[in-house]
Amino acid sequence: RKEVEQDPGPFNVPEGATVAFNCTYSNSASQSFFWYRQDCRKEPKLLMSVYSSGNEDGRFTAQLNRASQYISLLIRDSKLSDSATYLCVVNNQGGKLIFGQGTELSVKP
Amino acid sequence: GAVVSQHPSRVICKSGTSVKIECRSLDFQATTMFWYRQFPKKSLMLMATSNEGSKATYEQGVEKDKFLINHASLTLSTLTVTSAHPEDSSFYICSARLNTNTEAFFGQGTRLTVV
Repeated sequence: RKEVEQDPGPFNVPEGATVAFNCTYSNSASQSFFWYRQDCRKEPKLLMSVYSSGNEDGRFTAQLNRASQYISLLIRDSKLSDSATYLCVVNNQGGKLIFGQGTELSVKP
Repeated sequence: GAVVSQHPSRVICKSGTSVKIECRSLDFQATTMFWYRQFPKKSLMLMATSNEGSKATYEQGVEKDKFLINHASLTLSTLTVTSAHPEDSSFYICSARLNTNTEAFFGQGTRLTVV
């Protein structure tokens, strides 16, 4: 089993749609969690950290369920510019960041 | 946010030559940096953890003699791909963190093509 697993993609959605990405992790000792965004042929960039209480940043909402070892990202009112690959990232002991395989999102007009 | 600079962004080299990639943290001191490799349509694969002043820690399956890592100062780590072969062609990305629980900042990546 992979340490971090994400929904298979791609997700093709119309502008304005709400889309949700899911991610599970296998190491219960994982300490912190992030969502990154990666555009084609570019480096990953932090979208948001994920906290146990859940957190929201504009159209983006992240949730963490430690008991189920599950992380989610919700994007509301999708924009064309949201098209990218979204990476679920888990921080394990020793400070290693483990990346999920990524979920590709394509927002169409 | 913190800035990590990676150089070069793109390199084409001949088989058998060595290529050095630099990763600098521009506005903070990074005792630890990480090197990743990414194949097309795949996720980032951690290659090694670069520790300032000591030997790098390599992930299973990564050849330490092939991928030499040097972390000579708190702001610079280098990855040297030695005796490069076409199968080493890939996107190499470094990252640095302020501490072990904060987010990572990534360099711009280096696209290596070995011909």
